[in-house]
Amino acid sequence: AQTVTQSQPEMSVQEAETVTLSCTYDTSESDYYLFWYKQPPSRQMILVIRQEAYKQQNATENRFSVNFQKAAKSFSLKISDSQLGDAAMYFCAYSGNNDMRFGAGTRLTVKP
Amino acid sequence: GAVVSQHPSWVICKSGTSVKIECRSLDFQATTMFWYRQFPKQSLMLMATSNEGSKATYEQGVEKDKFLINHASLTLSTLTVTSAHPEDSSFYICSARRDRAYNEQFFGPGTRLTVL
Repeated sequence: AQTVTQSQPEMSVQEAETVTLSCTYDTSESDYYLFWYKQPPSRQMILVIRQEAYKQQNATENRFSVNFQKAAKSFSLKISDSQLGDAAMYFCAYSGNNDMRFGAGTRLTVKP
Repeated sequence: GAVVSQHPSWVICKSGTSVKIECRSLDFQATTMFWYRQFPKQSLMLMATSNEGSKATYEQGVEKDKFLINHASLTLSTLTVTSAHPEDSSFYICSARRDRAYNEQFFGPGTRLTVL
């Protein structure tokens, strides 16, 4: 079974600084997708960024970028120029053949 | 595009009663919908996967007779919590997949269930 591990329950960053959230996963599949979702206090799940495993190039969405290391099964999220609105729970997710599995989450605090 | 709604957003019920939660894809057809449960300060746990017109596939440990899932159309899936008890109190989230591209799921806003 696929597992997703987020080893940082909480992270804190100063406004305008950069922070990296870690995620590792375990799978025997060769074709899959990885995601980072943001869950603010409203609890609405918001897609931050997506990475296809067959692509070597790391995905980037404005201030958000990933460091995808397929051999190491690592998928970290870098948030640059952190803003107060970035404060939320962040979940790393894996999707293979059908369903999606989530990590335990990292609570990000942004200090003004 | 790709909006998913849930109704109700919050429900309080008495122990022993049944509660139905609706999940709708508003602007696309969803061949597959998913139901998750999220306890406070925890992650999303997949309860079941439902495909339109067929029986839902439940995750291990999820009672299919207690959590009835119906996916009668390409835009609607329902979760009925039967004979609810206080331990069923949780946040229930549905999601829908538009197509197999990217395996991306679009999430509803969730339903908070409180069983007294």
